[in-house]
Amino acid sequence: QSALTQPASVSGSPGQSITISCTGTSSDVGGYNYVSWYQQHPGKAPKLMIYEVGNRPSGVSNRFSGSKSGNTASLTISGLQAEDEADYYCSSYTSSSTWVFGGGTKLTVL
Amino acid sequence: EVQLVESGGGLVQPGRSLRLSCAASGFTFNDYAMHWVRQAPGKGLEWVSGISWNSGSIGYADSVKGRFTVSRDNAKNSLYLQMNSLRAEDTALYYCAKDIFAVFRGYLDYWGQGTLVTVSS
Repeated sequence: QSALTQPASVSGSPGQSITISCTGTSSDVGGYNYVSWYQQHPGKAPKLMIYEVGNRPSGVSNRFSGSKSGNTASLTISGLQAEDEADYYCSSYTSSSTWVFGGGTKLTVL
Repeated sequence: EVQLVESGGGLVQPGRSLRLSCAASGFTFNDYAMHWVRQAPGKGLEWVSGISWNSGSIGYADSVKGRFTVSRDNAKNSLYLQMNSLRAEDTALYYCAKDIFAVFRGYLDYWGQGTLVTVSS
């Protein structure tokens, strides 16, 4: 159960778009559409932003979108805002009937 | 309002046991799968265990398999995690989280604030 691979950090200016990648294998990301994304602000519990690759829960801004190609899932945030600065984690179901998270990506809004 | 309140954390010596509890309210508990996720200090998230709505499906991360046992009491709206043979690497903030489905999907839409487990001599 190796963690999914995410960039340690990404940054962008307000109004710009950024994309965070999440790379796994055919035994997790590539094999299933059970990919989700979480946002975590310091000292807070994570918040579900995207589920089933590209679906947004009620209340999540449409500035957040998800996609997948092969073994890599992606989270795109458009119209970057200061409050988007946080840690982001991807997660995927695995062939072992477990879930695995990515190592996390720190988003800095410049 | 959905609320998940964890309890039972604390300082424990290596090799000892601890039982975590999660009290749920604000939703129909027995309609949803539940999970435990942990986060070591300054580190990322790690899925620990999950249990379906009727306890028919249960899963564990390899790192805790054979040592941890998840259970739920739908009559008491409660989720539990029995942790045995604790190791220093189990030190983390343990979150209880609700799935958006009754069966395993791993989409965690509500989280508690966590209970801290510290394993140290």
